[in-house]
Amino acid sequence: EVHLLESGGGLVQPGGSLRLSCAASGFTFRSYAMSWVRQAPGKGLEWVSSISHNGDSTYYTDSVRGRFTISRDNSKSTLHLQMHSLSPADTAIYYCAKDPPAPDYCEHWGQGTLVTVSS
Amino acid sequence: SSELTQPPSVSVSPGQTARIACSGDALPRRYAYWYRQKPGQAPVVVIYNDNERPSGIPERISGSTSGTTVTLTIRGVQAEDEADYYCQSVDSAGTKVFGGGTRLTVL
Repeated sequence: EVHLLESGGGLVQPGGSLRLSCAASGFTFRSYAMSWVRQAPGKGLEWVSSISHNGDSTYYTDSVRGRFTISRDNSKSTLHLQMHSLSPADTAIYYCAKDPPAPDYCEHWGQGTLVTVSS
Repeated sequence: SSELTQPPSVSVSPGQTARIACSGDALPRRYAYWYRQKPGQAPVVVIYNDNERPSGIPERISGSTSGTTVTLTIRGVQAEDEADYYCQSVDSAGTKVFGGGTRLTVL
């Protein structure tokens, strides 16, 4: 059974940084692309970033490009999202998701970790 | 345009059929996916590749497509179907795009 467990969320001041992690189990992590999707309080889903199975290719939504960095450690089955220059607009639940072999959607989701950017 | 448009809300009585539409210019060329999200829970995919159901999703949930509109249909709506539903596709850059979501209310 696929299991994704996010961690690293919390309260951070505007302009600060935070690193999210996602521990994966129940599948061959190194074989699948992975994604981060966020959801601001009371709002809809927003795709944030994706990374190919081997980490060679990364993709970002325009609002986070240059501030966020997605990475993965296939030896530890872990996905990361390094976030810098955070603003209140980044406040959201951040979900880690496993993509299927054709990485066009999010096949499995973690339960999410809450990031709150506030002074 | 890569935007996906959904109605904010749909209401149906128990036992009736709910239809949630999602429109987007790229949908004739791209697959659509549907997610269900209940309060306080992570999203769950209920339809992939326009009309395929993952294991565990009942047959009364189906997807269809016609031109620039894809539709999620839930037959015999039950109280447990009350949730937010999101469509999703892929834009020309190959990145994921979500619709704004539709709240399904079971009257």
